[in-house]
Amino acid sequence: GESVGLHLPTLSVQEGDNSIINCAYSNSASDYFIWYKQESGKGPQFIIDIRSNMDKRQGQRVTVLLNKTVKHLSLQIAATQPGDSAVYFCAESVMNYGGSQGNLIFGKGTKLSVKP
Amino acid sequence: SAVISQKPSRDICQRGTSLTIQCQVDSQVTMMFWYRQQPGQSLTLIATANQGSEATYESGFVIDKFPISRPNLTFSTLTVSNMSPEDSSIYLCSVDKTAQETQYFGPGTRLLVL
Repeated sequence: GESVGLHLPTLSVQEGDNSIINCAYSNSASDYFIWYKQESGKGPQFIIDIRSNMDKRQGQRVTVLLNKTVKHLSLQIAATQPGDSAVYFCAESVMNYGGSQGNLIFGKGTKLSVKP
Repeated sequence: SAVISQKPSRDICQRGTSLTIQCQVDSQVTMMFWYRQQPGQSLTLIATANQGSEATYESGFVIDKFPISRPNLTFSTLTVSNMSPEDSSIYLCSVDKTAQETQYFGPGTRLLVL
C-alpha cells in the first residue's frame, strides 16, 4: 500500500548547526505535504506545508523542499536551537474530487536532539 | 489556526471499562478527526467525526469499540470501549477549519490501561 517513511529515525545536531530531516513518500498522487513538530507530552504542532505545485517554501528558520521526481520531502532548520528538540513527522494527502483535502498519512517520525 | 482542548489530559483505567474523551474547539470547524498514537509510534487515523451523522471509520477501527459523537461544529467525543492494555495510547483530536486547510491538533489524552 501507499506509505510515507523517513530515512533517519534519529538525528543529533550541535546547537547552531543546520538540521535536515528527510521523508520519502510513495503516493505520486499526493499533492499536499505537511511537517509537524511534536514535543514530549504535547500534540503535533504545525510547522510548514507545501503543495505539489511548488518545490520550495520558507518559513521562519525552516525551509521545506519537495522533489516530486524522486518523491522526497525535506525539512531544513537553520541555526538549530535546544527548543527544536522534538519528534518531527511528515504527512501527505491527496485532494479529493470535491476539492477538500483528503486524509493525512503520517510518516514514522524523526527524533531531533540538539546538543548544547 | 484554532485553539483545541481535550479532556481528560491523561487517565489510568482498568481493563473492561470505557473512557470518553472530549475535544472542544474555540471556533466552528468543518472537519474533526480522531487519531491514535501508540507509544513511540506515528499517528493513525481512527475516524472522521461528522456533524449530525455517523462517523467515518478507517480500516481496522469499528464503531462498537470507538463510538464517536459530534453534536455541533465545535465539539466531539471519542469513547474507548471495553478497554484492554493494548488500548494504551495517546488519543488526539484534530480539526480542519474549511476542509481545505491543514489540520491542527489538540494536546492529546494519554491513556494507560491496566
